[in-house]
Amino acid sequence: EDKVVQSPLSLVVHEGDTVTLNCSYEVTNFRSLLWYKQEKKAPTFLFMLTSSGIEKKSGRLSSILDKKELFSILNITATQTGDSAIYLCAVRDNDMRFGAGTRLTVKP
Amino acid sequence: DGGITQSPKYLFRKEGQNVTLSCEQNLNHDAMYWYRQDPGQGLRLIYYSQIVNDFQKGDIAEGYSVSREKKESFPLTVTSAQKNPTAFYLCASSTKNPGANVLTFGAGSRLTVL
Repeated sequence: EDKVVQSPLSLVVHEGDTVTLNCSYEVTNFRSLLWYKQEKKAPTFLFMLTSSGIEKKSGRLSSILDKKELFSILNITATQTGDSAIYLCAVRDNDMRFGAGTRLTVKP
Repeated sequence: DGGITQSPKYLFRKEGQNVTLSCEQNLNHDAMYWYRQDPGQGLRLIYYSQIVNDFQKGDIAEGYSVSREKKESFPLTVTSAQKNPTAFYLCASSTKNPGANVLTFGAGSRLTVL
């Protein structure tokens, strides 16, 4: 059965901490893996990863994909309260399958 | 500004009533999607449409219906047959290009059945 599993489901840190969010997947026809940030309502796109070992970076956020081990990580350095959100991992095969999300809370 | 508009944002209904959630996009996207989001669960696909007048069932289509009469519009009806309709509903769209994977989401509609 195709699935996308994110961990941890919930995480509480303090400003300035570095966090690593995990996403593992099992799909039959992998095309890409995407990360979204959902602050209040609409998820917004962060990264799309298609190749192993190539880091995508945007400011304090970065992500990398391992197609051999079937997982991706999302790193956030020097966290800020504005990083508090649900982070969704999605894998595109014939459909788009989402994980349950990681709820990140950054305390002042 | 281009985007996806969902309405209403909040909706309350009694059991046994059908409700229709609106989704309109002005991005000229061919494909549109409806997802359901429940606490602790990932987004689950209800229906999707890749072209006008055509749509396909997703993983949890039972108790829902859709139409795609116009490219810009993809309304979702939650029927009385849906056993647990209280949830947050997200509409999304994308280009039809097979290499295009990024979904653009609306702000969602929260349905509460009393």
